Amino acid sequence: SAVISQKPSRDICQRGTSLTIQCQVDSQVTMMFWYRQQPGQSLTLIATANQGSEATYESGFVIDKFPISRPNLTFSTLTVSNLSPEDSSIYLCSVLGQNQETQYFGPGTRLLVL
Amino acid sequence: TQLLEQSPQFLSIQEGENLTVYCNSSSVFSSLQWYRQEPGEGPVLLVTVVTGGEVKKLKRLTFQFGDARKDSSLHITAAQPGDTGLYLCAGAYNFNKFYFGSGTKLNVKP
Repeated sequence: SAVISQKPSRDICQRGTSLTIQCQVDSQVTMMFWYRQQPGQSLTLIATANQGSEATYESGFVIDKFPISRPNLTFSTLTVSNLSPEDSSIYLCSVLGQNQETQYFGPGTRLLVL
Repeated sequence: TQLLEQSPQFLSIQEGENLTVYCNSSSVFSSLQWYRQEPGEGPVLLVTVVTGGEVKKLKRLTFQFGDARKDSSLHITAAQPGDTGLYLCAGAYNFNKFYFGSGTKLNVKP
């Protein structure tokens, strides 16, 4: 398994600003993912963070709104840009385990946009 | 449209009762995972099933993967308040792309 930390754990932001979320893993991993989750609901995949190349975004998510960095095999950031109240959600990062079959999740970042 | 549909969406039962949660899709997956999530935390992996027809047991939890690898079920025997949480199934394509089910909120009352 992998131990994953996220910063910040929660934040309250003003409309029009941006928030950058950090994800740190305690071991090198090939694949990292970013998800969005409304409280008590399912997870929606935003993108796969690729080391050394541009992230791969899912339908409905674009790089201008959700720029992602992956400078090495243990770290990634997700920025949520030009915030609106609709961006209020929980943002989770995850990594793929060594067996390539399972994911391990960070604790999430709770974002509230006013 | 959700790729994986879970049922029921909500379940409130008394301690000691049994329950089954279903995860259904029209798509074939290379593997399927079940997670439990508590408020304020990320999902925690319970089990991964890979082979069609596979059955795995984890104490009072029994997981089954359908023969065609399109559906799965989670059965809990003698539920306890500590089982309360959001249960999520996730299907994997090509072992590295995951789609999550709609989720089942379970509340076990003492």
